[in-house]
Amino acid sequence: GAVVSQHPSRVICKSGTSVKIECRSLDFQATTMFWYRQFPKQSLMLMATSNEGSKATYEQGVEKDKFLINHASLTLSTLTVTSAHPEDSSFYICSALTQNYGYTFGSGTRLTVV
Amino acid sequence: GENVEQHPSTLSVQEGDSAVIKCTYSDSASNYFPWYKQELGKGPQLIIDIRSNVGEKKDQRIAVTLNKTAKHFSLHITETQPEDSAVYFCAASKLDTGRRALTFGSGTRLQVQP
Repeated sequence: GAVVSQHPSRVICKSGTSVKIECRSLDFQATTMFWYRQFPKQSLMLMATSNEGSKATYEQGVEKDKFLINHASLTLSTLTVTSAHPEDSSFYICSALTQNYGYTFGSGTRLTVV
Repeated sequence: GENVEQHPSTLSVQEGDSAVIKCTYSDSASNYFPWYKQELGKGPQLIIDIRSNVGEKKDQRIAVTLNKTAKHFSLHITETQPEDSAVYFCAASKLDTGRRALTFGSGTRLQVQP
């Protein structure tokens, strides 16, 4: 089946720095990638939808200048958290959507901002 | 937009008993209803899904039922085992057209007591 490889699995960064999270689709092409954020003991909340080669569509309340999404190729989508603050600490998960495999989720990235 | 409500938030059963988790959705155009199991620190894993043209689907100990008229769907786990303990999420989307991102329920923490 389809696999989405998400890295890093855990990252700790200092306040004010930027962090990049990568999601790679293995053995398939992901034209659409969704990025979710999950706070402890809460549900997955959609942050943005990205389509290969075009600008991402952000959900209401999500700052596009703070959460930069790049989907420049069919196998790689990245989320960069810029000028991270402690309130950005969360679990970030990507999900690729394809006609053949449906939704395939990455394993998640635990971001801790200190 | 779509709103998915999930009940109960926690569920404790004895090993061997059945567990039922229920969800309702608001958008009658939603046509895809997956259920995910999430273990601590990991991404969600698809356990079963159902499309709007089907009323019931079963896979061994797991079944899902869908009532389109009432806009609700349920997850049934029979003969529960300790390894079924996890957080379960329902979700809904318009898979083929429109907003294809999944909207998740709030989650159910299932604890199976040995």
